[in-house]
Amino acid sequence: QVQLVQSGAEVKKPGASVKVSCKIPAYTFTDYFLHWVRQAPGQGLEWMGWVIPHSGGTMFAQKFQGRVTMTRDTSTNTAYMELTRLTSDDTAMYFCARVDGWGQGTLVSVSS
Amino acid sequence: VMTQTPLSSLVTLGQPASISCRSSQGLVHSDGNTYLSWLQQRPGQPPRLLIYKVSNRFSGVPDRFSGSGAGTDFTLKISRVEAEDVGIYYCMQGTQSPWTFGQGTKVEIK
Repeated sequence: QVQLVQSGAEVKKPGASVKVSCKIPAYTFTDYFLHWVRQAPGQGLEWMGWVIPHSGGTMFAQKFQGRVTMTRDTSTNTAYMELTRLTSDDTAMYFCARVDGWGQGTLVSVSS
Repeated sequence: VMTQTPLSSLVTLGQPASISCRSSQGLVHSDGNTYLSWLQQRPGQPPRLLIYKVSNRFSGVPDRFSGSGAGTDFTLKISRVEAEDVGIYYCMQGTQSPWTFGQGTKVEIK
């Protein structure tokens, strides 16, 4: 089991981009795919995609294709999720997660 | 598809509670593991991982929580419900992509 540590809350204007980071303990960095999940206010959980820590391979939910990038930095054991062309519908808590642990969440607020 | 029952549960303090989760497909991964997790979301808080790989409690989770099951049918049990257990509980499968989540079960105190 592992505790993932995410970056802090972000406030963005519509049309902007946001990049959220997720620090993974070095000893377990490549053990599992790193997923991103979001939860809009009052809504359920929505899977966004994953990145493979050792290779950088990715897979995204169709809804986010063309707007999301998931990367990782093996030198710092950190994964990143970047979402572009933000709208108010992207206001949500974003989580990085693996099958054995979740991050604490990063609130992204999009407002003019 | 992950289907949870019940969707709402009213429980007396100190009494047990049980939530079922059924998957439309078997959840055994090719590596032999079953990636079925339970999440707890207390009011106003983000979800936190309670149980992973069917029956493993995450660090800090009280031992009154237990998970069981195999194949397509899984259960989360709370042996003696406490006031802090109020919230929504989600099952989720991590065996296949995309991850999918149950609808959530709301646990309240009578």
